[in-house]
Amino acid sequence: GENVEQHPSTLSVQEGDSAVIKCTYSDSASNYFPWYKQELGKGPQLIIDIRSNVGEKKDQRIAVTLNKTAKHFSLHITETQPEDSAVYFCAALLVRGQGNLIFGKGTKLSVKP
Amino acid sequence: EAQVTQNPRYLITVTGKKLTVTCSQNMNHEYMSWYRQDPGLGLRQIYYSMNVEVTDKGDVPEGYKVSRKEKRNFPLILESPSPNQTSLYFCASSAGGVPTEAFFGQGTRLTVV
Repeated sequence: GENVEQHPSTLSVQEGDSAVIKCTYSDSASNYFPWYKQELGKGPQLIIDIRSNVGEKKDQRIAVTLNKTAKHFSLHITETQPEDSAVYFCAALLVRGQGNLIFGKGTKLSVKP
Repeated sequence: EAQVTQNPRYLITVTGKKLTVTCSQNMNHEYMSWYRQDPGLGLRQIYYSMNVEVTDKGDVPEGYKVSRKEKRNFPLILESPSPNQTSLYFCASSAGGVPTEAFFGQGTRLTVV
């Protein structure tokens, strides 16, 4: 079946450094790619998303890039802060049925002060 | 306040005893969905609903039922729970009938013994 692969599974950076998380997807017709942040004991929260007609999107310290040809997209966090520590999930919306959102397995990001 | 409310937050039950986890949203969203989260597997979609009386299977629907009789509610039903359904469950909703910009609930931790 369709899947989304996410790397790395864990990432540790020093405060102020950048963090990059990468995802690849299998359904070439996927057209929506959100990123979620999940803090301990809470539900996932949308932090940024991108649609297939856009190559890059930025929101303050967070950016997402999409390469449709290679079927991969990445999350970039600059000037990381301790409060960025969380689990991050990427996802891809399958065109089939339009309601099936496939998630990656998550990246645990630790930002050390 | 816009929110997705799940109940209960924690539940321990025995194998075979039917249970229902409720989900309610106050944003008049068309789309609602259920996910389960397991260590190392990320979030997997169980069922989704693009509008009232419209439901469809996600990736792991076996052993679960849902109903969407009204827009705000989307209960998850386990007719005969088994230990392999022990998991953290999340409900989500979004506008427009597709899972873009989805809001997640706080989660329900279910243990089946």
